[in-house]
Amino acid sequence: SAVISQKPSRDICQRGTSLTIQCQVDSQVTMMFWYRQQPGQSLTLIATANQGSEATYESGFVIDKFPISRPNLTFSTLTVSNMSPEDSSIYLCSVEDGARAYEQYFGPGTRLTVT
Amino acid sequence: QKEVEQDPGPLSVPEGAIVSLNCTYSNSAFQYFMWYRQYSRKGPELLMYTYSSGNKEDGRFTAQVDKSSKYISLFIRDSQPSDSATYLCAMSDSNYQLIWGAGTKLIIKP
Repeated sequence: SAVISQKPSRDICQRGTSLTIQCQVDSQVTMMFWYRQQPGQSLTLIATANQGSEATYESGFVIDKFPISRPNLTFSTLTVSNMSPEDSSIYLCSVEDGARAYEQYFGPGTRLTVT
Repeated sequence: QKEVEQDPGPLSVPEGAIVSLNCTYSNSAFQYFMWYRQYSRKGPELLMYTYSSGNKEDGRFTAQVDKSSKYISLFIRDSQPSDSATYLCAMSDSNYQLIWGAGTKLIIKP
């Protein structure tokens, strides 16, 4: 199974600023996912990032607010731009097991608080 | 109405009890049914998956799918304090995009 690390693990940011979250995988993977998890709520998919192509965003999420980079098969970044307190959440990256697309491996998450 | 409904709990039971966690869903196209476990300040990890209907057992854990009722369950036998976590159900159709339940927080009291 893939091992995923995220940086930073947590951060407190002021409104109007931006934060870039890094996701590193110990093996090459085709698809990486970015999720948001708010307290007491289900995981919400923000976007799917394939290497070499533009990320695909889910309804309600736009590239200007959540730009994503995927420069190679082991790394991706998610930027939360022009933050507001409503962006306070846990942000998770995940990858899928190539043989079983429904099986995803998650990083530990980035806990973001916007003041 | 959400596609996947899951009671957020918390569900508190004594050590050794049998735990039953459940999700209901509305999309009859779902074929893959997963249970993920998430410990505090960690990412979710896949616990069990089931394709279509039926039961699947793995040690103290049993996953059950009833497609006719659009209802899935996870049973934990001989529950341990280390089982205390949030359990999330997830489902997908042939496109493999996961649709998640809200998660049930489980507390096993020693």
